[in-house]
Amino acid sequence: GAGVSQSPSNKVTEKGKDVELRCDPISGHTALYWYRQSLGQGLEFLIYFQGNSAPDKSGLPSDRFSAERTGGSVSTLTIQRTQQEDSAVYLCASSSGSGTSYEQYFGPGTRLTVT
Amino acid sequence: DAKTTQPPSMDCAEGRAANLPCNHSTISGNEYVYWYRQIHSQGPQYIIHGLKNNETNEMASLIITEDRKSSTLILPHATLRDTAVYYCIVREGKARGGSNYKLTFGKGTLLTVNP
Repeated sequence: GAGVSQSPSNKVTEKGKDVELRCDPISGHTALYWYRQSLGQGLEFLIYFQGNSAPDKSGLPSDRFSAERTGGSVSTLTIQRTQQEDSAVYLCASSSGSGTSYEQYFGPGTRLTVT
Repeated sequence: DAKTTQPPSMDCAEGRAANLPCNHSTISGNEYVYWYRQIHSQGPQYIIHGLKNNETNEMASLIITEDRKSSTLILPHATLRDTAVYYCIVREGKARGGSNYKLTFGKGTLLTVNP
């Protein structure tokens, strides 16, 4: 079946512009996660959505970052007034949120470059 | 999450079995062992997980020692496409309202499969 998809795959933007990154999770997965990965670094958790529960936004680095998930499916991560330090690969993952384990399935990521 | 220790790098000949070790001596009774990998410029990929019994799927086998303090991921017939960083993590299997759904990767093992 189809995996997690993300768009765009690459985004180059000027400092100060706003960007929107999209994630389409695996159909039927109730949990959705956003992470970012800077060059050569590990995963940095950003935000977590689970069903109709309030999202866990504890990983968002500043108030310039926001995310929403419409209809329990597609999610959009928005970065306002981008800064050069926002340059990274933004990864989306989803999981079924059921059973005894929560393995996460990742999309290919969006590589964001802020110039 | 309990701390894991992995060798920084390993080499394997194409077609041979790749055995990747992981030490997790402080693992607790309700924590699972998960393996993910990340091929260069791609998102992380879930491989396998287990609690105490050995597990096998289409990608790999997971051997967990009886005391659960270490495990080995086995790729039975490594191919060039298996070259990646492999991450071993331990975490509770089921989210209980805490933040255990957040994935964090250590340094992992860079497996290089040679022709």
